[in-house]
Amino acid sequence: KQEVTQIPAALSVPEGENLVLNCSFTDSAIYNLQWFRQDPGKGLTSLLLIQSSQREQTSGRLNASLDKSSGRSTLYIAASQPGDSATYLCASGGNQFYFGTGTSLTVIP
Amino acid sequence: GAGVSQSPRYKVAKRGQDVALRCDPISGHVSLFWYQQALGQGPEFLTYFQNEAQLDKSGLPSDRFFAERPEGSVSTLKIQRTQQEDSAVYLCASSGETQYFGPGTRLLVL
Repeated sequence: KQEVTQIPAALSVPEGENLVLNCSFTDSAIYNLQWFRQDPGKGLTSLLLIQSSQREQTSGRLNASLDKSSGRSTLYIAASQPGDSATYLCASGGNQFYFGTGTSLTVIP
Repeated sequence: GAGVSQSPRYKVAKRGQDVALRCDPISGHVSLFWYQQALGQGPEFLTYFQNEAQLDKSGLPSDRFFAERPEGSVSTLKIQRTQQEDSAVYLCASSGETQYFGPGTRLLVL
């Protein structure tokens, strides 16, 4: 079974700082890698999807990279804002997603 | 509707009670998934449908859990004889290329 790990579990940064969230997975034979955002009491919102043949995806201030050989993905957030405060989850797989436990991000105004 | 909807949003059940959780997927989405998310954890896969066919139910924790999607659209997750460890948020997702999640049903078993 795929094991997905996210580090750090929690992160607090001042507004405007750039930051990196890490995700590692044990089985490199993944179909894709997806990053989600979860706000308290809400469902998951997809941020970026990287297909197995791709190395990175960008959307606005977000950039996600994928290195299948090392079993790692990173989510880079530029110029963080208080509205970015949420839990960020990565998930590997295809038809079934295996989720990490998330990184809880707090951006301090 | 534009997104995945789930009902009820909150459910409190007494231990031993049966509950039914509903998911309305995005219209036209063939695939539908159920996940269980315990407090402070990531979602854990429960089961997967393609149209009305349940293709994978390997994540269902016990035979007290049952899911159906009889017409290939709305799905119901049923938990019989609920126990305290069933307390969690139950998330439904439907997909085209990516999965779109509903807001979840928060189940509390007392």
